[in-house]
Amino acid sequence: DAGVTQSPTHLIKTRGQQVTLRCSPKSGHDTVSWYQQALGQGPQFIFQYYEEEERQRGNFPDRFSGHQFPNYSSELNVNALLLGDSALYLCASSLGLALGEQFFGPGTRLTVL
Amino acid sequence: AQSVTQLGSHVSVSEGALVLLRCNYSSSVPPYLFWYVQYPNQGLQLLLKYTSAATLVKGINGFEAEFKKSETSFHLTKPSAHMSDAAEYFCAVSDRGYSTLTFGKGTMLLVSP
Repeated sequence: DAGVTQSPTHLIKTRGQQVTLRCSPKSGHDTVSWYQQALGQGPQFIFQYYEEEERQRGNFPDRFSGHQFPNYSSELNVNALLLGDSALYLCASSLGLALGEQFFGPGTRLTVL
Repeated sequence: AQSVTQLGSHVSVSEGALVLLRCNYSSSVPPYLFWYVQYPNQGLQLLLKYTSAATLVKGINGFEAEFKKSETSFHLTKPSAHMSDAAEYFCAVSDRGYSTLTFGKGTMLLVSP
């Protein structure tokens, strides 16, 4: 049973570029949440997708957008990259919007130069 | 709004010594509380969670935590540290019925021989 997978593992971009990160949830899970973990900080909630709709959103600008596909996989898009967007981006999956345990993927390390 | 405060960004113990990692929370509703562990270059792994059942919660790898409402605390303990426990530990809180998590800044546990 595959857990949460994320791609790519590492990514280097320059300021102003756009990036897309991908996440496949754990088998049987239908809810995907994205978190940003800056160096030395705890993860911060970006947004959550369920039934292909954004259900909750944290305090992140509109440059951060997402999508969920019918197979429950998800993408995180960041436009107009800033140096401060450099972080580990974590995807977590769970079952339903109720408090099912969230399973985290290994993350994508984004470096913005 | 909910928040989590983890006291001590670094905690050092000797192998075999008691591990105590502190977490205090703020929540306007009865919270769900979690402890996660993160090993280098990996995602987050759930150690244990409190969801309003028993106040003393046992988790994996010999860890346990006690929910104390009067102190708004959820400290993590382990009677005897192992070298393999060296990692970063995050306390998190969630509003009841929601699966989004608010994390503390983390505590790095260092274990010396």
